[in-house]
Amino acid sequence: GAGVSQSPSNKVTEKGKDVELRCDPISGHTALYWYRQSLGQGLEFLIYFQGNSAPDKSGLPSDRFSAERTGGSVSTLTIQRTQQEDSAVYLCASSQQGDQPQHFGDGTRLSIL
Amino acid sequence: DQQVKQNSPSLSVQEGRISILNCDYTNSMFDYFLWYKKYPAEGPTFLISISSIKDKNEDGRFTVFLNKSAKHLSLHIVPSQPGDSAVYFCAASARTNAGKSTFGDGTTLTVKP
Repeated sequence: GAGVSQSPSNKVTEKGKDVELRCDPISGHTALYWYRQSLGQGLEFLIYFQGNSAPDKSGLPSDRFSAERTGGSVSTLTIQRTQQEDSAVYLCASSQQGDQPQHFGDGTRLSIL
Repeated sequence: DQQVKQNSPSLSVQEGRISILNCDYTNSMFDYFLWYKKYPAEGPTFLISISSIKDKNEDGRFTVFLNKSAKHLSLHIVPSQPGDSAVYFCAASARTNAGKSTFGDGTTLTVKP
């Protein structure tokens, strides 16, 4: 596709369940980023991939959060044993290289009941 | 400690006038700065950037000014148009860790017809 695609667009789940969020970056973009935006807040950096490796995982809030990227393309962000404070919009972005402007998807709105 | 701050949560201007959005940063390692615009239910879109070797970058109605000594940058929009109404995020990164962008909390701009 022409832009960054994220799925699902909305996810409602019960506390304690695991969720998996998917990001399909722009074709050819080597860098991929995950952010979280809580209500009324800015974008909180979670993790960054260059190719399939993640040089910076410093933003992951806890060990319940993990992310992987395979084939230098699609990435999944997994949240285990979800908590209510995980409710937020999760945004994915990609860029040609790490120092280029980022192209964002429209996000996944995650609601934990 | 918030390294990128946008101290004005909101700004309202009249159509045709100038909009000035401000951003302050604390990390002296930041050397690349970007502005993104975000409409509701969409991901942010890149507007304009500036490297620390410059103090001004212009693109059409949008100009970004960088004052390194004050650790301050601003985005000027002139003339402002109703379609410019959106949330504007300032972001900063260091070339030594180009994948990690730090975002401010955003300023909501409303341009009144």
